[in-house]
Amino acid sequence: AQKITQTQPGMFVQEKEAVTLDCTYDTSDPSYGLFWYKQPSSGEMIFLIYQGSYDQQNATEGRYSLNFQKARKSANLVISASQLGDSAMYFCWRGTASKLTFGTGTRLQVTL
Amino acid sequence: KAGVTQTPRYLIKTRGQQVTLSCSPISGHRSVSWYQQTPGQGLQFLFEYFSETQRNKGNFPGRFSGRQFSNSRSEMNVSTLELGDSALYLCASSLEGGGNSPLHFGNGTRLTVT
Repeated sequence: AQKITQTQPGMFVQEKEAVTLDCTYDTSDPSYGLFWYKQPSSGEMIFLIYQGSYDQQNATEGRYSLNFQKARKSANLVISASQLGDSAMYFCWRGTASKLTFGTGTRLQVTL
Repeated sequence: KAGVTQTPRYLIKTRGQQVTLSCSPISGHRSVSWYQQTPGQGLQFLFEYFSETQRNKGNFPGRFSGRQFSNSRSEMNVSTLELGDSALYLCASSLEGGGNSPLHFGNGTRLTVT
């Protein structure tokens, strides 16, 4: 099975600091997409950012950026200037044309 | 554009009963997928439907089934409920399915089996 690995089950970060959530993946597909989702305690899964395997530049969406290192098969999420509302579970997903796989998630807690 | 709508939001059933959950995707989205999330097992993929056909299936027993209608709305059915079926069930829709376009999730249905 082609796995997604999120090695940090839980992380703490102080408000206004930046934090990096790790994600590595297995793949033999030349074309794939990488996604990050946020799940607050209320349960809904919120799409944050997308990176295509052929994209030359790292994706950015506001305070979120994706540090994509294709050769290392890593797609780390960077959140700048953390806010209390960023406290949530974060899931890394990888998709090909026919299949999606996802990691076990990282629980981020933002502290004052 | 309206988001993904899941009904009901909360449900309480007893063991042995069956349940049907509903999911209305974003207009124009042809793929609908279902996920189960529990504290013990985490997030797990149930199945994906695309244009009324089941395209992918996770590793769940046959008690879990689904279907998709011509308007892309989807239903998921669980028969002979077990205590372990208590979970948050998430539905997601996307334009093309697979991994080429982002999933958009509903708020989920919290099922409690007593």
